[in-house]
Amino acid sequence: QSALTQPASVSGSPGQSITISCTGTSSDVGGYNYVSWYQQHPGKAPKLIISDVSSRPSGVSTRFSGSKSGNTASLTISGLQAEDEADYYCSSYSSSNTRVFGGGTKLTVL
Amino acid sequence: EVQLVESGGGLVKPEGSLRLSCAASGFTVTDAWMSWVRQAPGKGLEWVGRIASKPDGGTSDYAAPVKGRFTISREDSKNTLYLQMNSLKTEDTAVYYCTTDGGTHWGQGTLVTVSS
Repeated sequence: QSALTQPASVSGSPGQSITISCTGTSSDVGGYNYVSWYQQHPGKAPKLIISDVSSRPSGVSTRFSGSKSGNTASLTISGLQAEDEADYYCSSYSSSNTRVFGGGTKLTVL
Repeated sequence: EVQLVESGGGLVKPEGSLRLSCAASGFTVTDAWMSWVRQAPGKGLEWVGRIASKPDGGTSDYAAPVKGRFTISREDSKNTLYLQMNSLKTEDTAVYYCTTDGGTHWGQGTLVTVSS
């Protein structure tokens, strides 16, 4: 299965909002409401920030939100903060009982 | 508190084998869907495979690059998940994470290096 497509990098200034896209196919993103987003700081394990397209786990800031339209899912981070600088990965359930990740997006807070 | 601790990584020659362990606490691995995810140095995350909970049949599924070479299993008495890796290739070099299938909990990862 091919990786989901994410932009390699995005950037924004503190206080701004940014959106990261995650494009797949009807066999993964478009076919199921099982898209997750992860935040990973250097040298650390990934952290789940969005599950099932738009659900925030307990303890995750409300500044993080997720959505989906067709074969593309999106992560929006509002009110950017310095600590949001990290790599972000989307993941989706895929046909044949597998999962697939996006290539990752490096967020730089200017 | 849920905790996952991987071990067993190291240096192995191509075509060799290695078994990774993931000791769980705070929940019972028998009742959980569990996954392995890997990350090659400087690269992104890659799903390796998962095992269903025992009540849901305990079946396992794998990503195409590892199918037929890797096997996920559990040892209930030790509350531990395993990843048996055979016929290792240089491209299997990565940090391997165990995670609850929903992605809520992750271990710290263990590095596997495949090199002659």
